[in-house]
Amino acid sequence: DIVLTQSPDSLAVSLGERATINCKSSQSVFRGSLNKNYLAWYQHKPGQPPKLLISWASTRVSGVPERFTGSGSGTDFTLTISSLQAEDVAVYYCQQYDSDLHTFGQGTKLEIK
Amino acid sequence: EVQLVQSGAEVKESGESLKISCKGSGYSFTSYWIAWVRQMPGKGLEWVAKFYPGASNAMDSYTKYSPSFQGRVTISVDKSTSTAYLQWTSLRASDTAMYYCARHYYDSGNFGGYDYWGQGTLVTVSS
Repeated sequence: DIVLTQSPDSLAVSLGERATINCKSSQSVFRGSLNKNYLAWYQHKPGQPPKLLISWASTRVSGVPERFTGSGSGTDFTLTISSLQAEDVAVYYCQQYDSDLHTFGQGTKLEIK
Repeated sequence: EVQLVQSGAEVKESGESLKISCKGSGYSFTSYWIAWVRQMPGKGLEWVAKFYPGASNAMDSYTKYSPSFQGRVTISVDKSTSTAYLQWTSLRASDTAMYYCARHYYDSGNFGGYDYWGQGTLVTVSS
């Protein structure tokens, strides 16, 4: 199985400041034939289902605020929230869907400092 | 409007069987893979399995289980009602969790993330 390791496990950032979450994969999730990384980012708030923010490592889903940016390729990926808003408090997960068996990172809890 | 609507919360005893459902609407149900995801209390998301509703039930290659769940759960589908199922034959207290179904986005040979999710089904198993 592909193992995804997120860092940090938790993060406290002041409103308006930048938040950065990392995701490292145990093997590459890059599909050369499609020139795409098969990695997604989700936001999960209590009492709600997870919400897809980014597919293919860097493609923001329609309706997701521009302050959310995904980057990286191969085995190392980053989710950046450029200016933290109160509504961004949540747990964030990366997920790979490259292998037959999809896996999630362990999650990063984002709070307001 | 694309929707995945899951069955309601369940409270069961250890050893009992259970089947929870996920009904899709607003899209071609047989054209997209469906996945099941578990969240145990206070824990993160765990991938359970995926399957392709458009495949024949005999096509094992269109169903994949995480090794952690293989043999513990079974996925099935009723294409006539666009409903997917996740079932257990003998529940354990450790099966207590929220279970989500989700649609795996696909377009023109390219998969994306899980773009639509059910609201979740809370399964509570007492020992």
